[in-house]
Amino acid sequence: GNSVTQMEGPVTLSEEAFLTINCTYTATGYPSLFWYVQYPGEGLQLLLKATKADDKGSNKGFEATYRKETTSFHLEKGSVQVSDSAVYFCALTRERTGTASKLTFGTGTRLQVTL
Amino acid sequence: GAGVSQSPSNKVTEKGKDVELRCDPISGHTALYWYRQSLGQGLEFLIYFQGNSAPDKSGLPSDRFSAERTGGSVSTLTIQRTQQEDSAVYLCASSFGPGNTIYFGEGSWLTVV
Repeated sequence: GNSVTQMEGPVTLSEEAFLTINCTYTATGYPSLFWYVQYPGEGLQLLLKATKADDKGSNKGFEATYRKETTSFHLEKGSVQVSDSAVYFCALTRERTGTASKLTFGTGTRLQVTL
Repeated sequence: GAGVSQSPSNKVTEKGKDVELRCDPISGHTALYWYRQSLGQGLEFLIYFQGNSAPDKSGLPSDRFSAERTGGSVSTLTIQRTQQEDSAVYLCASSFGPGNTIYFGEGSWLTVV
């Protein structure tokens, strides 16, 4: 079946540090890949996505590249801010094959950015 | 509305009572999903609707859980005879259809005491 593995948290960084949150996946077919973010007290928000191999999703300074050869979708940001403190979820959906494209999530990685 | 709307945002109920959670998806979205987020379990898929039918109910944890959707819009998740292990945030999401980006509501926080 489909699965997503994320690096364990929490991750604690100083402001302006470089961020990498690792995500690898197992899936049949050609999944679409997503990063969702959950800020304190808020619901899940889509951060970025990529739908095919070598696509790069980007938003708010965050980037992730769909690497089919390594089955990875690592999240990166060059300079984090305190406001980036949140829980980040990697997720995938199967391309439509006649079944529901439900999301399979990783366990989430909590990021804490300090001054 | 502009986003997925859920109610109530918070619900405290006594063990054994029934609860109903409501979801109003983004206008025009034909697909609707329910997920559950609980401590120690992460995010779990519960059920998926396409229009008013539910082709995938594989995530419903027991027969105490049921959901319906009417008019291709609003959905209600019902939990009968609630147990303490049902305490979680219940998230609703919608999309234009399978394969399209899924957008989440802010969730309904259920506490069973």
